[in-house]
Amino acid sequence: IAGITQAPTSQILAAGRRMTLRCTQDMRHNAMYWYRQDLGLGLRLIHYSNTAGTTGKGEVPDGYSVSRANTDDFPLTLASAVPSQTSVYFCASRPMPDSMTEAFFGQGTRLTVV
Amino acid sequence: GENVEQHPSTLSVQEGDSAVIKCTYSDSASNYFPWYKQELGKGPQLIIDIRSNVGEKKDQRIAVTLNKTAKHFSLHITETQPEDSAVYFCAAPAYSGAGSYQLTFGKGTKLSVIP
Repeated sequence: IAGITQAPTSQILAAGRRMTLRCTQDMRHNAMYWYRQDLGLGLRLIHYSNTAGTTGKGEVPDGYSVSRANTDDFPLTLASAVPSQTSVYFCASRPMPDSMTEAFFGQGTRLTVV
Repeated sequence: GENVEQHPSTLSVQEGDSAVIKCTYSDSASNYFPWYKQELGKGPQLIIDIRSNVGEKKDQRIAVTLNKTAKHFSLHITETQPEDSAVYFCAAPAYSGAGSYQLTFGKGTKLSVIP
């Protein structure tokens, strides 16, 4: 049972570099999400996608972009990384973007921007 | 949009004691309240959820209570064990337009169970 797979597990990145965090799910869920987790701030939504071909901005979208070319993949790109983007990033999915379904999370990507 | 407040941010209990974590939400239309447990180095996992048509739900040593009038819900863990040590998050749905919702999370509670 794979669920949600994120890659890489961890990465150290020089400031100014471009980086894509990968997320793949095998549950055929319609909705997918990217959160960042920072100490004391909990999980904050970066971008979301309610279905393939659509994306939306979350609470903290600046400096990030996403695409949803198909149901399974939802990559997150940092166009030019900055130290404030040092965080743990979690990809999540839900069967439907409705009000009453749970989210399933990947194992996270720990990103350090130096 | 939905605003979820979670307290306390840290909680230490002796093994065998009970632990209670509380969350408040702002949108009176919210109807689903999940709780997630995050162990060190892992992603959050759902441990229990409650829908607005019930006031309490139990699953072995964990329970969740909901007070829709006061807009708050709580996680109760009884007979705590060291393996309950983790970060716990509450969440509530936030409307994002076109009939769709996201989950808004509280800031988390780090629970430490002392043997």
